[in-house]
Amino acid sequence: EVQLLESGGGLVQPGGSLRLSCAASGFTFSDYTMNWVRQAPGKGLEWVSMIRGSGTNTHSVYYADSVRGRFTISRDNSKNTLFLQMHSLRVEDTAVYYCAKDLSAYARNFFDSWGQGTLVTVSS
Amino acid sequence: EVVLTQSPATLSLSPGERGTVSCRASQSVVNHLAWYQQKPGQAPRLLISDISNRATGIPARFSGSGSGTDFTLTISNLEPEDFAVYYCQQYGNWPLTFGGGTNVEIK
Repeated sequence: EVQLLESGGGLVQPGGSLRLSCAASGFTFSDYTMNWVRQAPGKGLEWVSMIRGSGTNTHSVYYADSVRGRFTISRDNSKNTLFLQMHSLRVEDTAVYYCAKDLSAYARNFFDSWGQGTLVTVSS
Repeated sequence: EVVLTQSPATLSLSPGERGTVSCRASQSVVNHLAWYQQKPGQAPRLLISDISNRATGIPARFSGSGSGTDFTLTISNLEPEDFAVYYCQQYGNWPLTFGGGTNVEIK
């Protein structure tokens, strides 16, 4: 059974930093593209970032314009863990952040498994 | 960026009725369109991909149709557990984008 468990959320001041983690199990983590998707309170879903299974080659990561240059996605395939390093946080980054697994090892870019989410609150 | 516009924002129906949710894309996404269901306090769940392919374990009362820029999710014979928010997502262009959601509520 696929399991994704996010951690690292919390309250941070504007301009601050936070690092989210997602521990994966139940599948061959290194084979799959992984994503972060966020949802502001009471709002819809917003895709944030994607990293292919091969690692952090510059051709293997993608970002939404709203986070590019501030957020960095990475993974440790030896520990089956996905990360999202967030810097220069803004109030509008407040959201539940979900870790989401691609359906296929061939990067279909839609998501068949999701974690339970971790809440990031940016406020002074 | 491909903008996905869902309608209606809210759909009020009774159990046993048929529900139809629309998703219109600002440009063609070919067949790269998925649907998700989200219940309060839960993560989204994949229902359909490639316009009409049901995900594993999804009941046959959920169906998808459409092409190019206009897509439809149909829920025939609504069950009590189907009342939720539904989102479309396109994966034909970067960045990946979602529709604004349709709340299917009990009438």
